[in-house]
Amino acid sequence: DGGITQSPKYLFRKEGQNVTLSCEQNLNHDAMYWYRQDPGQGLRLIYYSQIVNDFQKGDIAEGYSVSREKKESFPLTVTSAQKNPTAFYLCASGGGRDYEQYFGPGTRLTVT
Amino acid sequence: AQSVTQLDSQVPVFEEAPVELRCNYSSSVSVYLFWYVQYPNQGLQLLLKYLSGSTLVESINGFEAEFNKSQTSFHLRKPSVHISDTAEYFCAVSDPMFSGGYNKLIFGAGTRLAVHP
Repeated sequence: DGGITQSPKYLFRKEGQNVTLSCEQNLNHDAMYWYRQDPGQGLRLIYYSQIVNDFQKGDIAEGYSVSREKKESFPLTVTSAQKNPTAFYLCASGGGRDYEQYFGPGTRLTVT
Repeated sequence: AQSVTQLDSQVPVFEEAPVELRCNYSSSVSVYLFWYVQYPNQGLQLLLKYLSGSTLVESINGFEAEFNKSQTSFHLRKPSVHISDTAEYFCAVSDPMFSGGYNKLIFGAGTRLAVHP
């Protein structure tokens, strides 16, 4: 089946620890995106990548980092510098011309 | 900058009643418009989209949305809702300022549709 996978579904970390969220797609999409979702705030763009080895900051990139070493993979690291990391994180990919983005199932991160 | 306003944060409705979820966007330039649905603790699924052509677009499960350029709106409607339609609905608009050939979407804050028996 073609699609986007995110792992794990739930993640718990202690404050001060870095944590990496996985995102893999087999849709052969060039573009990939990371969003953060908080109740009542919709989706906010953290980082996006149009092509391997290239990525751009979104609206709320502070405290996050990404890499794009393979077309299929776009992992997100939530660093200890992120002041309020507890949230639902969504990864998406897009083929470009139809403008549609395809979403993974999300990872719920809880930091205590 | 482009922005999207979903006028209702929550919409309660009884089963089999009609519903309208409102969405307005700020830009008057050509845009692409989307409605996504999110069930609890899941990712977003595309419900329908407007790229060009007929201003009325339909989904396979009975939802429809009408693009109104003069009012910069893209309201979502369903004539008769089911319990299974209970979910959060997000309106999204393509960002006309985004360059590089790949689309950036701007999302509204979401509308929680609660269908009661």
